[in-house]
Amino acid sequence: LAKTTQPISMDSYEGQEVNITCSHNNIATNDYITWYQQFPSQGPRFIIQGYKTKVTNEVASLFIPADRKSSTLSLPRVSLSDTAVYYCLVDSNAGKSTFGDGTTLTVKP
Amino acid sequence: NAGVTQTPKFRVLKTGQSMTLLCAQDMNHEYMYWYRQDPGMGLRLIHYSVGEGTTAKGEVPDGYNVSRLKKQNFLLGLESAAPSQTSVYFCASFSTITRDSNYGYTFGSGTRLTVV
Repeated sequence: LAKTTQPISMDSYEGQEVNITCSHNNIATNDYITWYQQFPSQGPRFIIQGYKTKVTNEVASLFIPADRKSSTLSLPRVSLSDTAVYYCLVDSNAGKSTFGDGTTLTVKP
Repeated sequence: NAGVTQTPKFRVLKTGQSMTLLCAQDMNHEYMYWYRQDPGMGLRLIHYSVGEGTTAKGEVPDGYNVSRLKKQNFLLGLESAAPSQTSVYFCASFSTITRDSNYGYTFGSGTRLTVV
């Protein structure tokens, strides 16, 4: 299983862009990189998924360098409602995956 | 609404009691998972299933058993509850078929279990 390392916490202000980086040095060829968001008392929610290069959807962008040993989740112009825990997940179709402890993002007014 | 449904939402058990947590999904997903989340911690995989009739151990399987007799249901059993099993339990499902369509795991809303 690919182990992931993320910063424990980050602070930001409304309207700023936030970048959260995840390290996954032993990522395997078949592994995808997926990011989730979790609010208190709720289950995690899928944000974005990528395999290589850059992926963008309506809420975030995901940057993956060529060696795929890290990935960066980019949240444009965050608001107070983006305060949550963000998890980086590396998994393959083998069905077994490991969540790290996540990054607690606090957005301040 | 389509998704993952967990029952019950809350439960208090006495040490030594047994119980079963039920997870049901209506998305025809092949894979299903049980995680536990302790306060301030990430999710740890207990058991998972890659299809009907199959189960496998995750990171922290001791003290738990699972069964997947039907594709849509994944049951988590505690045979003899211990205070160390006080946690929030999340079920999730996943489809490799929709992976290329950029979908991830779908999680339930959790079961908060307290063992006293």
